[in-house]
Amino acid sequence: RKEVEQDPGPFNVPEGATVAFNCTYSNSASQSFFWYRQDCRKEPKLLMSVYSSGNEDGRFTAQLNRASQYISLLIRDSKLSDSATYLCVVNIGGGPSGSARQLTFGSGTQLTVLP
Amino acid sequence: GAGVSQSPSNKVTEKGKDVELRCDPISGHTALYWYRQSLGQGLEFLIYFQGNSAPDKSGLPSDRFSAERTGGSVSTLTIQRTQQEDSAVYLCASSPFRDYGYTFGSGTRLTVV
Repeated sequence: RKEVEQDPGPFNVPEGATVAFNCTYSNSASQSFFWYRQDCRKEPKLLMSVYSSGNEDGRFTAQLNRASQYISLLIRDSKLSDSATYLCVVNIGGGPSGSARQLTFGSGTQLTVLP
Repeated sequence: GAGVSQSPSNKVTEKGKDVELRCDPISGHTALYWYRQSLGQGLEFLIYFQGNSAPDKSGLPSDRFSAERTGGSVSTLTIQRTQQEDSAVYLCASSPFRDYGYTFGSGTRLTVV
């Protein structure tokens, strides 16, 4: 089982639609959670962190369910510029020297917003 | 600098040659990471540096891969005797010590022919 699993898509939605992406992670010790965005042939960029209480940033809402080991990203009123691959990212943290800080990336969900 | 700088942006090399990829992190970022991304695939962790601590090399795929970070700043990833399966985009990222949000460089696209 992959450490971070996402539906690869592609999701093709019309402008203005609401779209939701889901992600599951396998390690219950995971401590930090993020969504990154990656445009075609570009580097990933941090979109938002995901907090236990859920958090919102404009049209974007992230949710975390620790019991189910599940993360979601909701995009409302989607724009053409939202077209990208969305990466679910998890950090386990801890480790023998407290240095296990590398992030584990899902393979991404591709979104295309159509005019 | 203002962002993470990687060089070269593109590298084509012959199978069996050695290559060096360079990463210049954001000034003041103590953590530096190398990942690689093969075409259409997710990011694969390679190595992590934090300050003067011993690096976490757990992601390096073989002993042909090595990396160093001099003076807590610039890092070099070296691939010896390159193979075709080494072809990928090699991404470097840095972050402040207590911040998990990474800033990535634009990557080095390595093609082994």
